[in-house]
Amino acid sequence: DQQVKQNSPSLSVQEGRISILNCDYTNSMFDYFLWYKKYPAEGPTFLISISSIKDKNEDGRFTVFLNKSAKHLSLHIVPSQPGDSAVYFCAAIRTNAGNNRKLIWGLGTSLAVNP
Amino acid sequence: GAGVSQTPSNKVTEKGKYVELRCDPISGHTALYWYRQSLGQGPEFLIYFQGTGAADDSGLPNDRFFAVRPEGSVSTLKIQRTERGDSAVYLCASSLGKRWEQPQHFGDGTRLSIL
Repeated sequence: DQQVKQNSPSLSVQEGRISILNCDYTNSMFDYFLWYKKYPAEGPTFLISISSIKDKNEDGRFTVFLNKSAKHLSLHIVPSQPGDSAVYFCAAIRTNAGNNRKLIWGLGTSLAVNP
Repeated sequence: GAGVSQTPSNKVTEKGKYVELRCDPISGHTALYWYRQSLGQGPEFLIYFQGTGAADDSGLPNDRFFAVRPEGSVSTLKIQRTERGDSAVYLCASSLGKRWEQPQHFGDGTRLSIL
């Protein structure tokens, strides 16, 4: 049972435009969310995170929005650049469960930014 | 280098053999994690160390899998009597501490192929 869902396996965007990557979760106990970027043959690289007490977090070209009532978050990249082409993973964690540090991951969305 | 280092980068072995995968975390990082990623999937949590002790080993699939971190730095993931289903990329990550705001930084993984 996939607790973190990324329903779009791929996305193609023109350079300079906005990329919007979506993520849904089913476990209401998740209270911290992260986005990672992964290039082929490399490990995931942390991008940005958001706590459930916020609805928006921004870092340069990257903004994450959280809608708790809909159990939905999205990552906005603007403007998109060809170097952003990678697989993007959404991950969630339940921080209020003792010593839990277990990240639960989606299946990823492959973003292609075309020049 | 300053990142998480995993060796070997690739390992091919026959079914039934024993394998060891090594992880060198970022210097000073007290928390260390092992994940497994199969093709087309997100990383799947295996085990988390805080210092020398395994704080959460709930993701280890069965007793053929074991991990150690004897001095609180380098960790070894050990797989006995390997099976073809063990084929995957094994990812190691480390973080500065156990606080959830401290992101996990990943190595490039070991690609394990069981023939």
